[in-house]
Amino acid sequence: EVQLVQSGGGLVEPGGSLRLSCVGSGFYFTNVYMHWVRQAPGKGLEWVGRVRSNPDGGAADYAAAVQGRFRISREDSQRTLSLQMNSPKTYDTAVYYCCTSVGGGGTMDGHCGQGTLVTVSS
Amino acid sequence: DIQMTQSPSSLSASVGDRVTITCRASQGIGNHLGWFQQKPGKAPKRLIYGASSLQSGVPSRFSGSGSGTDFTLTISSLQPEDFATYYCLQLINFPLTFGGGTKVEIK
Repeated sequence: EVQLVQSGGGLVEPGGSLRLSCVGSGFYFTNVYMHWVRQAPGKGLEWVGRVRSNPDGGAADYAAAVQGRFRISREDSQRTLSLQMNSPKTYDTAVYYCCTSVGGGGTMDGHCGQGTLVTVSS
Repeated sequence: DIQMTQSPSSLSASVGDRVTITCRASQGIGNHLGWFQQKPGKAPKRLIYGASSLQSGVPSRFSGSGSGTDFTLTISSLQPEDFATYYCLQLINFPLTFGGGTKVEIK
């Protein structure tokens, strides 16, 4: 069974930093592209970014709203995906979900973690 | 960016009803579309990928169709556990973009 367990949310001041983590199990983490998706309070889903598998180069792509401030990384030996949030802004307040490849057709694809709430406020 | 327009934004239906939700892309996306279900306070759950392929474990009353710019999610016989918000997602270009959501409520 695919499981994604998230941690690291909480309150952060604008201009501060916060790191979210997501540990995967039940699938071969190394080969799976991973995404972050967020949802502001009372709003719809918004894609944040994706990191390729390391065998495919490990590059990351980002939404314009977070480009240059957020960084997605992965540590395959720890089956861990991370989202480093630098200089967050109040509009980054949201529940953040990590997800396995949202477009793939494998049995491990299209699964999301339980979500973690990030509140950006002074 | 590719805009994804869902309709309706909400609907009321009864158990047993056939429900259809549509999603229109601002440009052609082939079959690079997924459908997600989300219940309040819960993570999104993928139902459909590749526009028409059913995610493993998802009941067969859910089906997807379409290609290019126009897509449909159909629930053939609405069940109590299907009351939720549904989102489409285009996957052909970055940034990936979701539709605005369709909230399915009990009539």
